[in-house]
Amino acid sequence: GENVGLHLPTLSVQEGDNSIINCAYSNSASDYFIWYKQESGKGPQFIIDIRSNMDKRQGQRVTVLLNKTVKHLSLQIAATQPGDSAVYFCAEISGGYNKLIFGAGTRLAVHP
Amino acid sequence: DAGITQSPRHKVTETGTPVTLRCHQTENHRYMYWYRQDPGHGLRLIHYSYGVKDTDKGEVSDGYSVSRSKTEDFLLTLESATSSQTSVYFCAISESPSGGAYEQYFGPGTRLTVT
Repeated sequence: GENVGLHLPTLSVQEGDNSIINCAYSNSASDYFIWYKQESGKGPQFIIDIRSNMDKRQGQRVTVLLNKTVKHLSLQIAATQPGDSAVYFCAEISGGYNKLIFGAGTRLAVHP
Repeated sequence: DAGITQSPRHKVTETGTPVTLRCHQTENHRYMYWYRQDPGHGLRLIHYSYGVKDTDKGEVSDGYSVSRSKTEDFLLTLESATSSQTSVYFCAISESPSGGAYEQYFGPGTRLTVT
């Protein structure tokens, strides 16, 4: 929604540069992680996921890295475009029934 | 939005009035969720459902109730709305883990203002 971005950390990049968005997760027992993108006025949109038995997973222009030792996730976006401007959330599966715990989010601002 | 609709999309109501938000899915997914999103808090789980008539509380369930009488519909009710419940509400759906899929798909959201 329109108020999501208040008080969020912001990453500003130039169009064409690579972006790296970081996330610290809370539960060392979590075994599944997801990155979501949320544009203003819309619901979160699935980008990419990774399971805890992997360190890296690549999609189209995006890569997720998982460091279980320090409970850290990162989302790398290659050749960032204006359409990538949004708020990005990491989320981890917690408990049963696919319940997710979301991080607070990072706003990505892409400048031409 | 993966066959998920929410209604209404916007609502303004007065403190103390009951409010019901509806989530409808056409994907036949077993799990459904209600979240609220507030500045500085990200998305927080209110209630979830793991089947028809099977529901449970999430992290911020006080003041909310839910019902699921059909696979496709999940209702969120604020029995007596308070100003602290002003928020954007999102519904999400997910398949059961036996299908190997864990990701949740979100609806477009409902903006609720309690005056």
